[in-house]
Amino acid sequence: AQSVTQLGSHVSVSEGALVLLRCNYSSSVPPYLFWYVQYPNQGLQLLLKYTTGATLVKGINGFEAEFKKSETSFHLTKPSAHMSDAAEYFCAVSKRGGADGLTFGKGTHLIIQP
Amino acid sequence: DSGVTQTPKHLITATGQRVTLRCSPRSGDLSVYWYQQSLDQGLQFLIQYYNGEERAKGNILERFSAQQFPDLHSELNLSSLELGDSALYFCASSVAATGLGANVLTFGAGSRLTVL
Repeated sequence: AQSVTQLGSHVSVSEGALVLLRCNYSSSVPPYLFWYVQYPNQGLQLLLKYTTGATLVKGINGFEAEFKKSETSFHLTKPSAHMSDAAEYFCAVSKRGGADGLTFGKGTHLIIQP
Repeated sequence: DSGVTQTPKHLITATGQRVTLRCSPRSGDLSVYWYQQSLDQGLQFLIQYYNGEERAKGNILERFSAQQFPDLHSELNLSSLELGDSALYFCASSVAATGLGANVLTFGAGSRLTVL
């Protein structure tokens, strides 16, 4: 069975500072990996995904994530936080070729301090 | 606007009642997924349909059922409602049933269910 662990239910950073949201996964085979963002009163929006190939993946809004197989991690980063980045971020995993939907982490609430 | 439409946006009902949530997938998407989001359980996968057929089942209670109609819209039926069923219910759609095309999901804005 797959699982996703997001370290830190809340992360607070100052505007302009580095954003680092941690995600570790457990899967018997190399999975697909995703980061989604949820703004207040909205649905989830895909930020980026890793499927195969280059392990550093770039997404929307300046975010990127690096797949590290040896560490079973897929941490999300952004060099400089903006106030508009305040939202809930979800890491998700799915089986390659599977049809069981995505398994989501519990989410990390990103707070941006002015 | 993601292209996935969910109605109603908010619903308040009493314990023991039955409700139906509706979802229209993004144009061209054949697969529909239902998720439940609550504070204690997080985002839980309930069920997936592809072109009218059930494809995968997750943590869906027996009191809940779903279907996908020929026009591809889907309905999630929740019956004998309990206080613990209060949650945000998301519908998502994707192009395919399996593979990467199945896993890149487009989410609707959700239906917030409050059971009193």
